[in-house]
Amino acid sequence: EVQLLESGGGLVQPGGSLRLSCAPSGFTFSSYAMSWVRQAPGKGLEWVSTLSASGDSTYYADSVKGRFTISRDNSKNTLYLDMNTLTAEDTAVYFCAKGFRSSWRGFLDYWGQGTLVTVSS
Amino acid sequence: EIVLTQSPGTLSLSPGERATLSCRASQSISSNYLAWYQQKPGQAPRLLIYGTSSRATGIPDRFSGSVSGTDFTLTISRLEPEDFAVYYCQQYGSTPPLTFGGGTKVEIK
Repeated sequence: EVQLLESGGGLVQPGGSLRLSCAPSGFTFSSYAMSWVRQAPGKGLEWVSTLSASGDSTYYADSVKGRFTISRDNSKNTLYLDMNTLTAEDTAVYFCAKGFRSSWRGFLDYWGQGTLVTVSS
Repeated sequence: EIVLTQSPGTLSLSPGERATLSCRASQSISSNYLAWYQQKPGQAPRLLIYGTSSRATGIPDRFSGSVSGTDFTLTISRLEPEDFAVYYCQQYGSTPPLTFGGGTKVEIK
């Protein structure tokens, strides 16, 4: 059974940093692209970033480009999202999602339950 | 960047009725790479449809997808109580961003 478990969310001050982690199980992590998608309170889904299976191709939404970094450690079966210079607009539930294939060009077939990031003073 | 516009914003229907949800793309989507997701309150999204019309594993056949040009449709033939939720379309055919539509809420009338 595929499972994705996010962690690392919490309350952070504006301008601060946070690292999210996603621990997958039930599939060969190193074979699939992975993504982060967020959802602000009461709002719709917003794609944040995608990383290819090998880790050599990364893609970011304009809203986070230059501030967020997606990475993976295939030896530790973990996906990360490093978030810097956070603002109130980054407040959201962050979902980790598995891609259907190794490249970015795939739908998201499994999702974690999400971790809440709140940016507030 | 491809923009996806979902309509209506809210659909009020009764169990047993047919639901038709629209997702209009601002330009052609390569290979009709469009997916539909269902999200219930407090839960993660769940994949329903990929490649415009292929059902994901375990999705009942009352869910179907179709396309006409750049107009994509999700149809739920007969609404079950568990189908009342928010539905999102997403394109994955063009270079990222992998945009989502704004969502359609299907609520009980």
